[in-house]
Amino acid sequence: DIQMTQSPSSLSASVGDRVTITCRSSQNIRHSLNWYQQKAGKAPKLIIYAAFSLHSGVPPRFSGSGSGTDFNLTISSLEPEDFATYHCQQSYSSPTFGQGTRVEIK
Amino acid sequence: EVQLVESGGGLVQPGGSLRLSCAASGFIISNYWMSWVRQVPGKGLEWVANIKQDGSERYYIDSVKGRFTISRDNAKNSLDLQMNSLRDEDTAVYYCAGEDVLTGGFDYWGQGTLVTVSS
Repeated sequence: DIQMTQSPSSLSASVGDRVTITCRSSQNIRHSLNWYQQKAGKAPKLIIYAAFSLHSGVPPRFSGSGSGTDFNLTISSLEPEDFATYHCQQSYSSPTFGQGTRVEIK
Repeated sequence: EVQLVESGGGLVQPGGSLRLSCAASGFIISNYWMSWVRQVPGKGLEWVANIKQDGSERYYIDSVKGRFTISRDNAKNSLDLQMNSLRDEDTAVYYCAGEDVLTGGFDYWGQGTLVTVSS
C-alpha cells in the first residue's frame, strides 16, 4: 500500500495569511494526488485533483503543486470559510489518504 | 442536486453484522466507480472498498477482506456494504462516495452514517 504523510498535522493562521500544506507519498504516484476540504461534522469536498487542477466552483486562492512523491496545497490568502481540515489522497492505486491537516484560527 | 444518503448505521456488538445502504438522487451511479470511505471521529479518512460501474470488479482494504462485501444495484441507483464479523476497530462514520474518472477523485459524498461496535 502507498502511505501518505501530511505535514503539519495542524497549524494556526490568520485571515489573509498564505498557508502551505505538504503531502508526501511513499512511492512515485506521478500526478495522481487529490486534496479535500472537510468542515466539522460534514463530508469532505474535493478541491484539487490530479495534483494541480482546481475542481469546479473552488476559488482560485487554492492551488496545488508537485509530482512524484512531494505535493503541496497552498491557500494564497486565508478567508474565514477556509478554516477546516485538509486531506490529501492518492489515486494511483487503491486509494489512501493522509492523516489530515487542521487549519485553525490564530 | 446530487444527493447520496447513507442509512443502516447503529450500535452493534463485536462479531455482529450490519448492512449499510446508500441511495443516490440527481446522480446516476452507473457512470461511476463507487466507494465506501470511513472515518473514526476526529481522525483521518480510510478508504474501505470500491466497485466498478458494472459490478465486475470489487476491491477492499486488507483489514475488511472476507468480512465486508460491497454491492450495487444500478437499476435502483443504490450502493450497499454488508459488514460481518464486526470488530471494535470498525467503529467509524461510513461515507459512500462516487469517483469521477475525469478527476480521479471522490467528487460526490454522502453525509455519512455512524457505525459503533461495542459490547
